[in-house]
Amino acid sequence: DSGVTQTPKHLITATGQRVTLRCSPRSGDLSVYWYQQSLDQGLQFLIQYYNGEERAKGNILERFSAQQFPDLHSELNLSSLELGDSALYFCASSVSSDRGYYEQYFGPGTRLTVT
Amino acid sequence: AQTVTQSQPEMSVQEAETVTLSCTYDTSESDYYLFWYKQPPSRQMILVIRQEAYKQQNATENRFSVNFQKAAKSFSLKISDSQLGDAAMYFCAYRTGRDDKIIFGKGTRLHILP
Repeated sequence: DSGVTQTPKHLITATGQRVTLRCSPRSGDLSVYWYQQSLDQGLQFLIQYYNGEERAKGNILERFSAQQFPDLHSELNLSSLELGDSALYFCASSVSSDRGYYEQYFGPGTRLTVT
Repeated sequence: AQTVTQSQPEMSVQEAETVTLSCTYDTSESDYYLFWYKQPPSRQMILVIRQEAYKQQNATENRFSVNFQKAAKSFSLKISDSQLGDAAMYFCAYRTGRDDKIIFGKGTRLHILP
């Protein structure tokens, strides 16, 4: 158990819908990262938040957005869902995003299925 | 742009034997980190081993060790005394020293034969 929690574990929804994935980082971790794992694209970085502010962006679609709240939990919002959005979405957290190495701890993931 | 390439989609090894998973990467950065992550059937991402680019000594973690060839941009993982619990997808990954985003390879699925 990494200490990172994600809800829900599984989500099944229809095309065109909107969903919200939730992540609670490890206690004391200020950075949250979102990754998408799909058959087509593999594992790819989406976005990072540090202490409530967006810090880095990867291959995140405009239909997707995220935020980090004052209690440091984060939500990933996916809208106008398409079949290709079906994937495993991971959240990870780390102590800091300052220069240097801080291990990212991954949550168990949310499996999204778009039908 | 940085890329990570794993040329072996699948590999098999006999239990108790040694296996090496290959990885190459491309970067123009001098400060970076390399990782091997394990993803078992549970889908949890588990960090196996880490290598800092500035360190010449190859990292080791119990039965896991790496062969880091910086000039060749090669980073292979050696698993000794393979165990059934080692069966998983293994991802080679890269991170610059400038930011935190991790770039993953496509993965190598490792089968352990009893």
